[in-house]
Amino acid sequence: KAGVTQTPRYLIKTRGQQVTLSCSPISGHRSVSWYQQTPGQGLQFLFEYFSETQRNKGNFPGRFSGRQFSNSRSEMNVSTLELGDSALYLCASSLVEGGDTEAFFGQGTRLTVV
Amino acid sequence: LAKTTQPISMDSYEGQEVNITCSHNNIATNDYITWYQQFPSQGPRFIIQGYKTKVTNEVASLFIPADRKSSTLSLPRVSLSDTAVYYCLVGPMDSSYKLIFGSGTRLLVRP
Repeated sequence: KAGVTQTPRYLIKTRGQQVTLSCSPISGHRSVSWYQQTPGQGLQFLFEYFSETQRNKGNFPGRFSGRQFSNSRSEMNVSTLELGDSALYLCASSLVEGGDTEAFFGQGTRLTVV
Repeated sequence: LAKTTQPISMDSYEGQEVNITCSHNNIATNDYITWYQQFPSQGPRFIIQGYKTKVTNEVASLFIPADRKSSTLSLPRVSLSDTAVYYCLVGPMDSSYKLIFGSGTRLLVRP
């Protein structure tokens, strides 16, 4: 089956702009979570969505937001971009049901803010 | 969520067995131990998960002592392609996918 698909793979934006990243989970997976990875801070949890509802949120400013659609696809948005937002943004999907807790990650979107 | 401590880096040679130990002194009763592998510019990949004693799958083994305050990921006969960062995560299996990653262990496999 197809894996987690993130688009776009690479993105260059200017400070002050906003950006929307997309994640299509594995078919049948209802949980989608987002992570930011930077050399300085490592992998940090942003938020998790399940059945269109945000269940968990990490310690990020309100400029970072997300949503999930009825087909489980998810988007995350970053407004008023700062240089420090340059990072690899990873999305992970999980089945949730049946005690399966493995998270499947996409290849990520590499965001560069200039 | 329990904090984990792993070695920052490890070196090995092809064909050797590699053991990466993770400390999690404050592990809770309902916490599980999960290991992920990450290659550069890719998302992490699930390797193995366990609660106690020993778990083995086709790629690795996970050893967990009775007190569960540490765990050891064992990679048999590593190859160059096993060069990656390995993360130990500890948390409940409550179907809430908030994974807390530590700094990980950077494994370098030499020819």
